[in-house]
Amino acid sequence: SQKIEQNSEALNIQEGKTATLTCNYTNYSPAYLQWYRQDPGRGPVFLLLIRENEKEKRKERLKVTFDTTLKQSLFHITASQPADSATYLCALLMDSNYQLIWGAGTKLIIKP
Amino acid sequence: ETGVTQTPRHLVMGMTNKKSLKCEQHLGHNAMYWYKQSAKKPLELMFVYNFKEQTENNSVPSRFSPECPNSSHLFLHLHTLQPEDSALYLCASSQDLVAGGDTQYFGPGTRLTVL
Repeated sequence: SQKIEQNSEALNIQEGKTATLTCNYTNYSPAYLQWYRQDPGRGPVFLLLIRENEKEKRKERLKVTFDTTLKQSLFHITASQPADSATYLCALLMDSNYQLIWGAGTKLIIKP
Repeated sequence: ETGVTQTPRHLVMGMTNKKSLKCEQHLGHNAMYWYKQSAKKPLELMFVYNFKEQTENNSVPSRFSPECPNSSHLFLHLHTLQPEDSALYLCASSQDLVAGGDTQYFGPGTRLTVL
């Protein structure tokens, strides 16, 4: 069956360090992958999109990599800040039926 | 603010009640979506509308009934729900359908509790 895995355990990172979150998938050939941030009591907010033919994408302190051989995307936040604490979701577009399939998210906690 | 509003923010209803969730987007988008988000589970796509026509119904029980009178408004009518339907219901919109790479803008959600 089709599956997206994100670490269900909360990730605790010291302020100023780089936080790295993982999104693994099986049985897909995604056209692209997106990362979203969700704060408690709010809907997800789009952060970055990376296409299947792109290896890396950057936006300010954020970096996303996409390895279609490993079927994995990594999401990095450099110089992390307590305000970066949130749940981060990855979503893949299936090129078979053009639907977004979502991971359950990883909760990131940046400690001062 | 994302430009997508949802009302009510919280709703408690009995299993025999009928209620409706409302979503409005102020972004001029053509596609709108309903999602269900349960604790520690992935977002589940329920319905998709494009130019106010339904394009997807992901095997959602008939106790959930969507309505899209125009491209800016989306409703989810609820009746005879079950306790397992308790969840956060999120509305989203995008310029066009996501196949083209359009990102989705989400509302704050309605926290639904079914007693």
